[in-house]
Amino acid sequence: DGGITQSPKYLFRKEGQNVTLSCEQNLNHDAMYWYRQDPGQGLRLIYYSQIVNDFQKGDIAEGYSVSREKKESFPLTVTSAQKNPTAFYLCASSTATGWDFGQGTRLTVV
Amino acid sequence: QQQVKQSPQSLIVQKGGIPIINCAYENTAFDYFPWYQQFPGKGPALLIAIRPDVSEKKEGRFTISFNKSAKQFSLHIMDSQPGDSATYFCAASELGGNYKLTFGKGTLLTVNP
Repeated sequence: DGGITQSPKYLFRKEGQNVTLSCEQNLNHDAMYWYRQDPGQGLRLIYYSQIVNDFQKGDIAEGYSVSREKKESFPLTVTSAQKNPTAFYLCASSTATGWDFGQGTRLTVV
Repeated sequence: QQQVKQSPQSLIVQKGGIPIINCAYENTAFDYFPWYQQFPGKGPALLIAIRPDVSEKKEGRFTISFNKSAKQFSLHIMDSQPGDSATYFCAASELGGNYKLTFGKGTLLTVNP
């Protein structure tokens, strides 16, 4: 079945630690995205990539980094510079007319 | 700058009622307007979407109404059921542009039995 796989489902981070969230898609979509979801804030765009080896900052990119070495993969690293990383992170991919979302990773700072 | 404004933030209706969720946008280049349904701990799932060349679209119990001149669109849920209780997001995109989806802040719908 085609879809987007995010892992892990739950992730705990210690203060000052970098963590990487995985996103893999087998839909052959060119574009991929990372959104952050906080209660009452909707989905806010962190980074997006329209083609391999290219990506752009979204609205809240500070404290995050990404890479796009393969069409299928778009990992997100939450760095220690992100002061409030506790949130639900959603990965998505798209064609020109449709978006698909993963099931999310809930990141908690402990 | 909030490009898509959604209201209300929360909504409670009785079973069989018709909840209405409204969205307004600012960017006239937007030409694709989807609605997503999200259950707790899950990713959003596409419900229904509309292009600006039509004023209304129905899919099952879900209807989108679109007013291009007012730059507004709304979701109506007919004969609502407790299983419809979820968070609903409107969104907008410029299909010929960079494919980015801009979301409203969401509406938490509760349908009481």
